[in-house]
Amino acid sequence: EDKVVQSPLSLVVHEGDTVTLNCSYEVTNFRSLLWYKQEKKAPTFLFMLTSSGIEKKSGRLSSILDKKELFSILNITATQTGDSAVYLCAVRSDSWGKLQFGAGTQVVVTP
Amino acid sequence: EAQVTQNPRYLITVTGKKLTVTCSQNMNHEYMSWYRQDPGLGLRQIYYSMNVEVTDKGDVPEGYKVSRKEKRNFPLILESPSPNQTSLYFCASSSPGKGSGELFFGEGSRLTVL
Repeated sequence: EDKVVQSPLSLVVHEGDTVTLNCSYEVTNFRSLLWYKQEKKAPTFLFMLTSSGIEKKSGRLSSILDKKELFSILNITATQTGDSAVYLCAVRSDSWGKLQFGAGTQVVVTP
Repeated sequence: EAQVTQNPRYLITVTGKKLTVTCSQNMNHEYMSWYRQDPGLGLRQIYYSMNVEVTDKGDVPEGYKVSRKEKRNFPLILESPSPNQTSLYFCASSSPGKGSGELFFGEGSRLTVL
């Protein structure tokens, strides 16, 4: 059975800290891994990763995929209160249409 | 403005009373999908559609039906809702052949079944 597991489930940090979120997966015929940010409404897209070792970067956020060890990391540097959200990882495998999400990591950034 | 529109946004209903949640997108996307979100469980896929008249089950299809008669619309039908279908529902669309293949989500429909 396919699995997508995110850790930690939640964390609280102070503004300026660096956060590292983990997403591990066990799926058949991996196609891609996507990261989303959800702030009490619809998830918004952050990154899509398909190749190992290539870092995707957008401002203070970055992500990398390890297809050998079957995990991805999302890093947020110099955190701000606006980074407070649930971060969701999703894996596309087998059929392009099937997308399996992890349970998410709740990040709270305190002033 | 490119968007995915769901209706209703909020609904309280009773067990057994058929309901439909509509979803419409204006981006000419081939792919559409429905998810439910419950605390601690993340987003779980209910059904998806790769194109008109093509639908497939996701991970939790029981108790739901869908149809894809037009490219822009993908309604979710609960023929006989039960309390365990109380949830937050998201519709999403994408274009498999373009860009990152990211999903564009609607604003969500919060359903309560009494």
